[in-house]
Amino acid sequence: GQNIDQPTEMTATEGAIVQINCTYQTSGFNGLFWYQQHAGEAPTFLSYNVLDGLEEKGRFSSFLSRSKGYSYLLLKELQMKDSASYLCAAMDSNYQLIWGAGTKLIIKP
Amino acid sequence: ETGVTQTPRHLVMGMTNKKSLKCEQHLGHNAMYWYKQSAKKPLELMFVYNFKEQTENNSVPSRFSPECPNSSHLFLHLHTLQPEDSALYLCASSQGVAGDPNEQFFGPGTRLTVL
Repeated sequence: GQNIDQPTEMTATEGAIVQINCTYQTSGFNGLFWYQQHAGEAPTFLSYNVLDGLEEKGRFSSFLSRSKGYSYLLLKELQMKDSASYLCAAMDSNYQLIWGAGTKLIIKP
Repeated sequence: ETGVTQTPRHLVMGMTNKKSLKCEQHLGHNAMYWYKQSAKKPLELMFVYNFKEQTENNSVPSRFSPECPNSSHLFLHLHTLQPEDSALYLCASSQGVAGDPNEQFFGPGTRLTVL
């Protein structure tokens, strides 16, 4: 079956760095997405990886290893506004997104 | 503001009621989606429309009935729902259903409570 695993909850300190891991198993693969969702709001797109390696976008970076079925989202210089859920989703061979349950990130001062 | 709007934002209904959720996208996209989001569970894809044609129906009960009159509007008609249908219903749109990267843009959702 198709499956996405990511931690349920993580806690980090303002100004620090945090890495949110995601492993996936899908029928075929057409890319890995990360979304951010603040409580009560819509998920918003953060990043997309389809080739192995690191994609950097400001304070956020996303990494993909296709051979390991693994991705991570790296958040640097954490700010209080980064408190949110982070959703990992892999696109399968039918171009459907298979979603993880999300990682709730709590930032403490 | 993602360019995708949903109404109503909150809805409380009894099991015998009939109601409709509305989604509108202002992005010129060709694909639209309905998702169900329950607490601590992954997003569940319900329906996909591409150029107004339904391309996916992920074993959704018939008490949920989608309608896509054009590429900008999507409805979800609800009737004789069950309490377990209480959830956040999210609408999304994308340029198409395939392509690179083809990210989906989400609306704010409708928080549905079935009594």
